[in-house]
Amino acid sequence: DSGVTQTPKHLITATGQRVTLRCSPRSGDLSVYWYQQSLDQGLQFLIQYYNGEERAKGNILERFSAQQFPDLHSELNLSSLELGDSALYFCASSVDPGLSQPQHFGDGTRLSIL
Amino acid sequence: DQQVKQNSPSLSVQEGRISILNCDYTNSMFDYFLWYKKYPAEGPTFLISISSIKDKNEDGRFTVFLNKSAKHLSLHIVPSQPGDSAVYFCAASARRGAQKLVFGQGTRLTINP
Repeated sequence: DSGVTQTPKHLITATGQRVTLRCSPRSGDLSVYWYQQSLDQGLQFLIQYYNGEERAKGNILERFSAQQFPDLHSELNLSSLELGDSALYFCASSVDPGLSQPQHFGDGTRLSIL
Repeated sequence: DQQVKQNSPSLSVQEGRISILNCDYTNSMFDYFLWYKKYPAEGPTFLISISSIKDKNEDGRFTVFLNKSAKHLSLHIVPSQPGDSAVYFCAASARRGAQKLVFGQGTRLTINP
């Protein structure tokens, strides 16, 4: 158990819809990262938050957005969903991005677009 | 542009022998490297890491070697056990900046009894 909690585990929805994925980081971790794993792309970095502030963006689509709340949990919002958005979405957390500390991953949310 | 590459999609090793997983990177700004293990339906689990100031790091049966001049790292597992069967991901980051992880495509390791 990594200590990172993601909900829901599975999500099935239709094209054009909007969903919210939730992540609670490990106790004491201030930084949250979101990654997408699709069949042909591997694990790809989407976005990072540190103590409530956006720190870095990867190849995140404009239809996707995220935030980190004062209690440090984070939400990833995906809107106008397309078939190609079907993937595993992982959240990871770490203590401080400035230190050489590993990121610890949750078990992911599997998103299926029908 | 794949900055981290694991050229072997799969590897099969006999129980008790050494497993060697390889990873190459192209970005010279990377200075922190990690190995993760992943079982189906679970998230990646951190195994071991190495900073660019070192060339070797050991943790029990796991050793990671870093060759900066060749931009190559490897994970050695000795002795290999059936529970080691999983997909192994190499990842790299640059400490300056966000420290986002760049992952390789993974190597599926199968340990045969």
